[in-house]
Amino acid sequence: QQQVKQSPQSLIVQKGGIPIINCAYENTAFDYFPWYQQFPGKGPALLIAIRPDVSEKKEGRFTISFNKSAKQFSLHIMDSQPGDSATYFCAASRQGGSEKLVFGKGTKLTVNP
Amino acid sequence: ETGVTQTPRHLVMGMTNKKSLKCEQHLGHNAMYWYKQSAKKPLELMFVYNFKEQTENNSVPSRFSPECPNSSHLFLHLHTLQPEDSALYLCASSQRGQGLQFFGPGTRLTVL
Repeated sequence: QQQVKQSPQSLIVQKGGIPIINCAYENTAFDYFPWYQQFPGKGPALLIAIRPDVSEKKEGRFTISFNKSAKQFSLHIMDSQPGDSATYFCAASRQGGSEKLVFGKGTKLTVNP
Repeated sequence: ETGVTQTPRHLVMGMTNKKSLKCEQHLGHNAMYWYKQSAKKPLELMFVYNFKEQTENNSVPSRFSPECPNSSHLFLHLHTLQPEDSALYLCASSQRGQGLQFFGPGTRLTVL
């Protein structure tokens, strides 16, 4: 049973576009939602994370929007650049409980010049 | 060395070989993890260690044998693997009770 559903599977945008990646979760006990960025041949690297007590968090060009009632969260990349081309994973976990991070299936983003 | 390191970065082995993957974290964390990443599949958690004790085994076949001698080192011993075990094996570490995990670069394993 997949507890975090991520869409789309792949996404192609032009430079300067705003790709949006969506995730939905089922377990209401989750209270920590990180996004990871993975380049080919590298391990995933933490990009940005949010807790359910806020509806939005911004770090540079990356913004997470969080909708607790809908159990959904999304990643927006403003003014996307070819260097943002990577695979993005959303994840969820419960702080102070199991250390287990539940990952979405990933979204392969391509930003064309 | 900083962060999480993994060796080797690439490994090709036959089905009858025995090999080991090594992971070392330099972050002072007390939890370590092994993940398997295959094409078109989500990251699959294999094992979790907290304070050197294994706390989770996600129904991983016995041909994968983890070892955690201390909080900084984690090994994955491999024997009689199958071609479908070819994947990127990722190690991660965290402070126990926190969801923030730091990943190593992975070992690309090919089983012939």
